[in-house]
Amino acid sequence: HLQLQESGPGLVRPSETLSLTCTVSGGSIITTNHYWGWIRQSPGKGLEWVGSIYHSGSTYYSPSLQRRLTIPVDTSKNQFFLKLTSVTAADTAVYYCARHGRRYGALPREIDSWGQGILVSVSS
Amino acid sequence: EMVLTQSPATLSLSPGERATLSCRARQGVNSNLAWYQQKPGQGLRLLIYEASNRATGIPDRFSGSASGTDFTLTISSLEPEDFAVYYCQQYNNWPLTFGGGTKVEIK
Repeated sequence: HLQLQESGPGLVRPSETLSLTCTVSGGSIITTNHYWGWIRQSPGKGLEWVGSIYHSGSTYYSPSLQRRLTIPVDTSKNQFFLKLTSVTAADTAVYYCARHGRRYGALPREIDSWGQGILVSVSS
Repeated sequence: EMVLTQSPATLSLSPGERATLSCRARQGVNSNLAWYQQKPGQGLRLLIYEASNRATGIPDRFSGSASGTDFTLTISSLEPEDFAVYYCQQYNNWPLTFGGGTKVEIK
C-alpha cells in the first residue's frame, strides 16, 4: 500500500526558502509509469499544481512558480523535495505531495495517491 | 494554461438525492480529465479518471461523462459520507490544472 508523507517546518519567514520533504513508502520512487509531484491549497481556496519530477530528474514546473522553484529527488532514500525561494504570504498553503501517472510522450496522467498535506505559513 | 470552470460553486441537497456537477474546459482536453473528492482535514481521493472510469474501490453511485469540453460527475443517490468538495482536473498536457471546486452540502 503506497503512502506519501510530507514533512518540514510549519513556519517560514518572508523572503526565505520553503523546504519540504516527501517520503514514499510501500513502493519505489523508481517507476517507469509515474511522476511525483507537489500540489498546494491556499486557505479557503482551490488546488494549484506546483510541479512534478520523474525519477530520472526530469522536472515540470508551474509557469507562475518556476523562477523560484526546484524539485529534487533522492532515489536512494525514496524521497523527493520542494524548495521554493523568496516566499511571501501568498505562499501560505497546505502542501500535498502526490503520485501521478505518466503516459506516452512523457505526458501526465491522473493523480492516484496523495499525502495528507502539511500546512506551511509564511509570516514574520 | 488550460482553464477549467466548475459549476455550481455550491450544491445543497438531501441524502438520497442525485447530484450533478459540471466542469467545462476552455479548450479540448480529450478524455484526460479526473474528478477528486476532498473532505475537511483529509487528503484527496481519486474518484474518476479518463472522464468516465471509476477508480479502484469507488462505489458505482459515482459516474463520470463527457460531451466535447463539458464534463459531468454524477452521484446517483447521495450518502452521508458524500458531502464534501469535488474538484475536476485536466492532465491533457502540462501544466496540470484544477477547477475551482463544487461543495456538496447537506440541505
